[in-house]
Amino acid sequence: KNEVEQSPQNLTAQEGEFITINCSYSVGISALHWLQQHPGGGIVSLFMLSSGKKKHGRLIATINIQEKHSSLHITASHPRDSAVYICAAPNDMRFGAGTRLTVKP
Amino acid sequence: NAGVTQTPKFQVLKTGQSMTLQCAQDMNHEYMSWYRQDPGMGLRLIHYSVGAGITDQGEVPNGYNVSRSTTEDFPLRLLSAAPSQTSVYFCATGAGSPTDTQYFGPGTRLTVL
Repeated sequence: KNEVEQSPQNLTAQEGEFITINCSYSVGISALHWLQQHPGGGIVSLFMLSSGKKKHGRLIATINIQEKHSSLHITASHPRDSAVYICAAPNDMRFGAGTRLTVKP
Repeated sequence: NAGVTQTPKFQVLKTGQSMTLQCAQDMNHEYMSWYRQDPGMGLRLIHYSVGAGITDQGEVPNGYNVSRSTTEDFPLRLLSAAPSQTSVYFCATGAGSPTDTQYFGPGTRLTVL
């Protein structure tokens, strides 16, 4: 069993829909990392959060350390949001397998 | 300011050959790491370094060597390539630790025949 689990594995949405990607982890962490991997393969950091909520544009990340759960939300999704979203537990250097998001126009 | 660079972008090896994947950064980051990414699996840590002269093993270190003689460079050596090492390799850097924001290189796609 992977110590960092993501759901769903694949997600298809229509443009404008509200998206939620979930991440659960079994390891003890002080922070959780959300990454975005573009279709071309490049990986960029979206958020590093240790409590509560962070917002950047249309992206919102929340975390509940006690419940070992984090969510990534995308409001008003757009085709350019199509990517693989990865959560990671940096203390333990463990990564989820990723959620492949496709947003259709 | 190039950020994190990796060379080569693509490489094909025969079983038993050796090679070095290069990673360089110009952000003066202390923490550098190497990951491999395989289909259906998350990124897995191969080796990491918290500063020049210091390296340590990650989750999947077998078959790979690293060294960190300078802050800027963190090469990954495949000693005797095997088909199981076919993967996409990413180098990443962070200011001081894995809990700092990580910056990833563009990746190297390696095929071992």
